[in-house]
Amino acid sequence: DTGVSQDPRHKITKRGQNVTFRCDPISEHNRLYWYRQTLGQGPEFLTYFQNEAQLEKSRLLSDRFSAERPKGSFSTLEIQRTEQGDSAMYLCASSSWGSPGSSSFGPGTRLTVL
Amino acid sequence: TQLLEQSPQFLSIQEGENLTVYCNSSSVFSSLQWYRQEPGEGPVLLVTVVTGGEVKKLKRLTFQFGDARKDSSLHITAAQPGDTGLYLCAGERGGSEKLVFGKGTKLTVNP
Repeated sequence: DTGVSQDPRHKITKRGQNVTFRCDPISEHNRLYWYRQTLGQGPEFLTYFQNEAQLEKSRLLSDRFSAERPKGSFSTLEIQRTEQGDSAMYLCASSSWGSPGSSSFGPGTRLTVL
Repeated sequence: TQLLEQSPQFLSIQEGENLTVYCNSSSVFSSLQWYRQEPGEGPVLLVTVVTGGEVKKLKRLTFQFGDARKDSSLHITAAQPGDTGLYLCAGERGGSEKLVFGKGTKLTVNP
């Protein structure tokens, strides 16, 4: 296994468009996390899954954001009606149950909203 | 209010110098992690500390967790240009399944 992968690595879109990102976690990890990182800041928690169940969502995750992990493997993060303020690096991480502190991060998806 | 405060925010030193970066909080954490992040990439885990007073060494890097589990430090001996990057501390609070990150320390080691 080569670690957490994310696709695409870069996305440029126009304001108002919808975008979807994919994350493939480390295969034996049942926890999957999404974080957002803006320039000059550390990553901020958005949401996490245990298997296919979404167990927690941050207040940062407005109703324009939706995340899924339908079969407990890969996950998607969709942003509808993108705004310029959504421009950020979207990071996915995975870990084994009960060990968020040993999370492995993917390379991230850099979103630019024009 | 930032739950984890990192200092300094920026650090530029010459190759061969020693440095220490700090991660402080008024909250107790069940564990603290240090990550290194390069531009355009995701954070890479360097170490996890879980016991108050714990010291871990990774080659030229020494990590310490405060006795009260509220703070941590990262010391680098004889820094090299390859150490350049953003160093992030992150904490796991008891009962929470997410990491809280500091803003990071951007380190530049000049040859």
